[in-house]
Amino acid sequence: NAGVTQTPKFQVLKTGQSMTLQCAQDMNHEYMSWYRQDPGMGLRLIHYSVGAGITDQGEVPNGYNVSRSTTEDFPLRLLSAAPSQTSVYFCASSYSGGGRGEQFFGPGTRLTVL
Amino acid sequence: DAKTTQPPSMDCAEGRAANLPCNHSTISGNEYVYWYRQIHSQGPQYIIHGLKNNETNEMASLIITEDRKSSTLILPHATLRDTAVYYCIVRVYGGSQGNLIFGKGTKLSVKP
Repeated sequence: NAGVTQTPKFQVLKTGQSMTLQCAQDMNHEYMSWYRQDPGMGLRLIHYSVGAGITDQGEVPNGYNVSRSTTEDFPLRLLSAAPSQTSVYFCASSYSGGGRGEQFFGPGTRLTVL
Repeated sequence: DAKTTQPPSMDCAEGRAANLPCNHSTISGNEYVYWYRQIHSQGPQYIIHGLKNNETNEMASLIITEDRKSSTLILPHATLRDTAVYYCIVRVYGGSQGNLIFGKGTKLSVKP
C-alpha cells in the first residue's frame, strides 16, 4: 500500500491564482480530511469527508473548496490564492469517522503564495 | 480550542524513559485520549490511544489517572529518532466525525 499520497510536494503561487492540491489513499478509508499547519502551530482542520459524496467544513474553511467523488481521492481547491494561505497542507484518512483507530497522514504539500 | 494542556518543551537523555504529561481536566466520559507525534514537519504519526485503562503498544505506554483529568505518555527507551513534537488530543470515539483538534504539543528533544 502506498498509504496517503499528496501532490505536489512544493508549490509557489501568485496572489489570485487558483490550484488544486491532490490527495489519494489506497486503504479504502471512508474518512478523509485536510489540515493546514502554520509555522510553530498545531494543525487546523480545513474540510473533511465521511464518505464519497459527503463533505463538511472544519475550523478554517474559507478560501478552500473540496469534493469527494470517489473513496480514494479528496482534492483541495484554492479558489483565489492569498498570502495568508501560505502554509503546509496535510491530508489524512482513517477507516471510519468514528475514531476507530488511527488516522494516517500524508507527507504534506508546502505552499507559498507571493 | 484544544482541550489539552502540555508543556511546550522537554529534554530527555538517550536511552532513558521520556515521560510526557498532558492535562485534560474537562474531558468527557465518552472521550478518548490520543497521542500523535510529528517528526521534523512530516505528517503526524499515530502513537497510542486509551479511555481509562493504561495502554501499551510497541511504541509507547499511556498512563491515564483514575479521574481521567491527566495522562502521561511514556517512551521507555528514548532514541534520537524520537525527537519530535508530541500532541495529546481528546476526541469522541464512535461518533460521526473523526476530527482531531491539535494544540501546540510538546517538543521533545532527545540528547546523546
